[in-house]
Amino acid sequence: DIQMTQSPPVLSASVGDRVTLSCKASQNINKNLDWYQQKHGEAPKLLIYYTNNLQTGIPSRFSGSGSGTDYTLTISSLQPEDVATYYCYQYNSGNTFGAGTKLELK
Amino acid sequence: QVTLKESGTGILQPSQALSLTCSFSGFSLSTTGICVSWIRQPSGKGLEWLADICWDDGKGYNPSLKNRLSISKDTSNNQAFLKITSVDTADTATYYCARNTYYGYYYVMDAWGQGASVTVSS
Repeated sequence: DIQMTQSPPVLSASVGDRVTLSCKASQNINKNLDWYQQKHGEAPKLLIYYTNNLQTGIPSRFSGSGSGTDYTLTISSLQPEDVATYYCYQYNSGNTFGAGTKLELK
Repeated sequence: QVTLKESGTGILQPSQALSLTCSFSGFSLSTTGICVSWIRQPSGKGLEWLADICWDDGKGYNPSLKNRLSISKDTSNNQAFLKITSVDTADTATYYCARNTYYGYYYVMDAWGQGASVTVSS
């Protein structure tokens, strides 16, 4: 099974900060990776698919990058409404979510 | 507009079987490339992918739960189903269904239901 390790588990940042969330796979996942945002009490929402493709309707401050085993979600200028837990998800071999990064406002 | 809604047994006892239904609109499970996935989330914890079923009746299961899961679909009525046998308290969670579309070399799981809460308790 492919394991997905997200870091950090909790991230505190200020409005306007550039924020980077990391996701590392236990083996090459060939860019078959998505990022989801989940706000408290809500279903997850797709932000980025296939590593770096912005889902329709998602603000352009969100971007994704990576290859092989290492992937990154970047928020270029943090907004208050971005407070949420972020999950990476791989489907290259089996289907696995990371444990999430909880993003808080400082 | 794509919508999905989960329904099922809200409270059940250990060893019983859990039956979940995903009722959807705005797409068809007979369309090439379309799949419906099931994902669950215990309260305060992360997401766990469970199973999926696709337009061609292809099915996938989480290996750690495979012996207990059964997924099926009713294309005519726009529904997908998940059954989990021999539940225990560890199966207490919110269960989501989601549309997953295959685009040739990648998938997009872009629409989710609101989730159905399931509690297993004696």
